[in-house]
Amino acid sequence: GQNIDQPTEMTATEGAIVQINCTYQTSGFNGLFWYQQHAGEAPTFLSYNVLDGLEEKGRFSSFLSRSKGYSYLLLKELQMKDSASYLCAVMDSNYQLIWGAGTKLIIKP
Amino acid sequence: SAVISQKPSRDICQRGTSLTIQCQVDSQVTMMFWYRQQPGQSLTLIATANQGSEATYESGFVIDKFPISRPNLTFSTLTVSNMSPEDSSIYLCSVSASDYNEQFFGPGTRLTVL
Repeated sequence: GQNIDQPTEMTATEGAIVQINCTYQTSGFNGLFWYQQHAGEAPTFLSYNVLDGLEEKGRFSSFLSRSKGYSYLLLKELQMKDSASYLCAVMDSNYQLIWGAGTKLIIKP
Repeated sequence: SAVISQKPSRDICQRGTSLTIQCQVDSQVTMMFWYRQQPGQSLTLIATANQGSEATYESGFVIDKFPISRPNLTFSTLTVSNMSPEDSSIYLCSVSASDYNEQFFGPGTRLTVL
């Protein structure tokens, strides 16, 4: 079966760095997406990786290793507004998105 | 990215009734999807709304319970039929330029069934 694993919850301190991991097992691979979802709001697109390596976008970076079935989202200089759930989703060979359960990130002052 | 609106934003409904949720996009999009998200859980795809033809439903979802229309490239509706409390959830539409592009989400419809 297809599976996406990410931690349920993480806590970090304002100003620090946090890494949210995602491992996946899917039938085929056509890219990995990270979304941010604040409580009570819709998910918003953060990043897309289809090739191995690191993609940097401001304070957020996303890394992919296809051979390991592994990705991480790195958030630097954490701000209180970064408190949200972070969803990892993988597009399989049928171009269907398989969603992880999300990681709830709690930022403490 | 496209601007997506959904109506209603929330509703409280009685068991056995039906509710139709509308999704409007400000530009033509190829792909439109309907998701359900129960509290504290991730997204579950209900179906892909196909313009001019029947929607493609995921396992566990059927047309009789969740009829979907997509009359053009900017609009779709999802009906939740014969509702029960188990249908209480947030329903989200999303759009994408193609099969392999990122999806953009509408604000969601929060449905409570009593």
